[in-house]
Amino acid sequence: GESVGLHLPTLSVQEGDNSIINCAYSNSASDYFIWYKQESGKGPQFIIDIRSNMDKRQGQRVTVLLNKTVKHLSLQIAATQPGDSAVYFCAELGFSGSARQLTFGSGTQLTVLP
Amino acid sequence: EAGVAQSPRYKIIEKRQSVAFWCNPISGHATLYWYQQILGQGPKLLIQFQNNGVVDDSQLPKDRFSAERLKGVDSTLKIQPAKLEDSAVYLCASESGGEETQYFGPGTRLLVL
Repeated sequence: GESVGLHLPTLSVQEGDNSIINCAYSNSASDYFIWYKQESGKGPQFIIDIRSNMDKRQGQRVTVLLNKTVKHLSLQIAATQPGDSAVYFCAELGFSGSARQLTFGSGTQLTVLP
Repeated sequence: EAGVAQSPRYKIIEKRQSVAFWCNPISGHATLYWYQQILGQGPKLLIQFQNNGVVDDSQLPKDRFSAERLKGVDSTLKIQPAKLEDSAVYLCASESGGEETQYFGPGTRLLVL
């Protein structure tokens, strides 16, 4: 079945440094991936998405890279700020029967150190 | 644009009691989801609605969980009777027909004692 996993459960970075959060997926047919940010006491918030016909997509201070060969994606956050401290989830949009549904990984806790 | 609303935000009950959660999706969003998020894990889908119909409830423990979206707008999720392992955050998300991005509410944090 489908699975989405993360390489590290926690990541600590110094304020101002770049952060890289990794994610592996197992379904080679997956064609759409999303990164969510979840702050304490809040629901997941959409950050950026990427389709399988792309290798890279950039947003404001964030970049997602997709390597279909090894079924891996990463989220890069430039100049990490204290407000970036949160749990980050990658999610894969796949099919359950005829329904399109998200499958989430277990998350990486990002802590930004002063 | 108002986001997804959920209530209550917190609920503490004893095992074997009943509890209900309410969700109001973003206006005009036809698809509504309920997720269960256990501490330290990612959200897990429980049920998906399209308007007032169930699209997928294969992961809903139907012996104790039920959900409805009678008029295709608001939705309620009920647990009866609750078990200790039901302690989690219950998230509601909605999605419009024209895009694949789900927007999440703040969740209801349930503690079963």
